[in-house]
Amino acid sequence: QQQVKQSPQSLIVQKGGISIINCAYENTAFDYFPWYQQFPGKGPALLIAIRPDVSEKKEGRFTISFNKSAKQFSLHIMDSQPGDSATYFCAASPSGYALNFGKGTSLLVTP
Amino acid sequence: EAGVAQSPRYKIIEKRQSVAFWCNPISGHATLYWYQQILGQGPKLLIQFQNNGVVDDSQLPKDRFSAERLKGVDSTLKIQPAKLEDSAVYLCASSLDASIGRIYGYTFGSGTRLTVV
Repeated sequence: QQQVKQSPQSLIVQKGGISIINCAYENTAFDYFPWYQQFPGKGPALLIAIRPDVSEKKEGRFTISFNKSAKQFSLHIMDSQPGDSATYFCAASPSGYALNFGKGTSLLVTP
Repeated sequence: EAGVAQSPRYKIIEKRQSVAFWCNPISGHATLYWYQQILGQGPKLLIQFQNNGVVDDSQLPKDRFSAERLKGVDSTLKIQPAKLEDSAVYLCASSLDASIGRIYGYTFGSGTRLTVV
């Protein structure tokens, strides 16, 4: 049973455009929502994370938007660059427990 | 800071054989995780250790998979006997502490790619 549902499965964006990836969850015990970036042959790396007491968090070109009532959160990548081409995973966990990952979004940023 | 070390990087075995993976977490990290990542999917937790105790192994297929973390540092994950569907990347991750791992995030190793033929 997939505890975190992620969409789209793949995404193609032109350089300079905005990439948007969405995730939804059901478990109201989740209180930590990170996004991970994974390049081929590497393990996932933490990109940005948010807790449910805030609705938005921005770090550089990356922004998480969080809607607690809808149980949804999203990643926005502004001014997308070819170097951002990777697989992105959303995840969620309750306090003290391991992350549950979405299925991933393969992002391709074209020149 | 050295990252999470995993070995081997690749392994090819025949079904019904056994295989073991090794993980050395970041020094001082109390929490260690093993995840299975099947091609095209997100990582799926197999087991979570806090020091040398098991926190969660509910998704570990215990009839064939086993894991241990001796002395609360290195960990090994074993599969015996392997099945074709075990073909995946096995990722090890560590965090300073599960309760504050959310602040610093997990650090993943590069994984071991297992192919069962």
